[in-house]
Amino acid sequence: NAGVTQTPKFQVLKTGQSMTLQCAQDMNHEYMSWYRQDPGMGLRLIHYSVGAGITDQGEVPNGYNVSRSTTEDFPLRLLSAAPSQTSVYFCASSYSQEGRISYGYTFGSGTRLTVV
Amino acid sequence: GQNIDQPTEMTATEGAIVQINCTYQTSGFNGLFWYQQHAGEAPTFLSYNVLDGLEEKGRFSSFLSRSKGYSYLLLKELQMKDSASYLCAVGDSNYQLIWGAGTKLIIKP
Repeated sequence: NAGVTQTPKFQVLKTGQSMTLQCAQDMNHEYMSWYRQDPGMGLRLIHYSVGAGITDQGEVPNGYNVSRSTTEDFPLRLLSAAPSQTSVYFCASSYSQEGRISYGYTFGSGTRLTVV
Repeated sequence: GQNIDQPTEMTATEGAIVQINCTYQTSGFNGLFWYQQHAGEAPTFLSYNVLDGLEEKGRFSSFLSRSKGYSYLLLKELQMKDSASYLCAVGDSNYQLIWGAGTKLIIKP
């Protein structure tokens, strides 16, 4: 019963490099999302998905891409890393019922990303 | 705009009671949520209020007043393991969660 699995846990990138943060859940949740968490700020939504093949932008989508080819996986791609993307990234998932999302999110353990 | 305010940091004594306040202004309202986040870990769900009043769950209680845009989380019989950040979040009209910056709670012996 893994829940939400995020990899890697830590990553250091050089400015301009690209990478993919992986997120997988085994709870058959339709809703998945990516957040970033910075000191002194609330969690900010980057992208989200309400089901396979459907993605949408959140509050801070610039510099990030996502795709949702399966219910289980929701990778986040950094296209060209910048120091401003240094943050802790969390993936979260939840079930939805009749189109309404349950707010009892299950979070992954997070990825600490440093861009130098 | 959308705004959620909560104190940055609070200190309390082991065994005591502490109340963490949260005020909000959001476009639409689909419930208020409290999450706990220990340092270096992911947030975990604590409570959910959609109607006015008090919801009690063991040592933790959460209160909501929709007319005042106000909620609080009450922690009783504080234990050292309660040292964590407590995040207030509101479900908006698009069923997305808007998050406060969190309140870091420090418990002293």
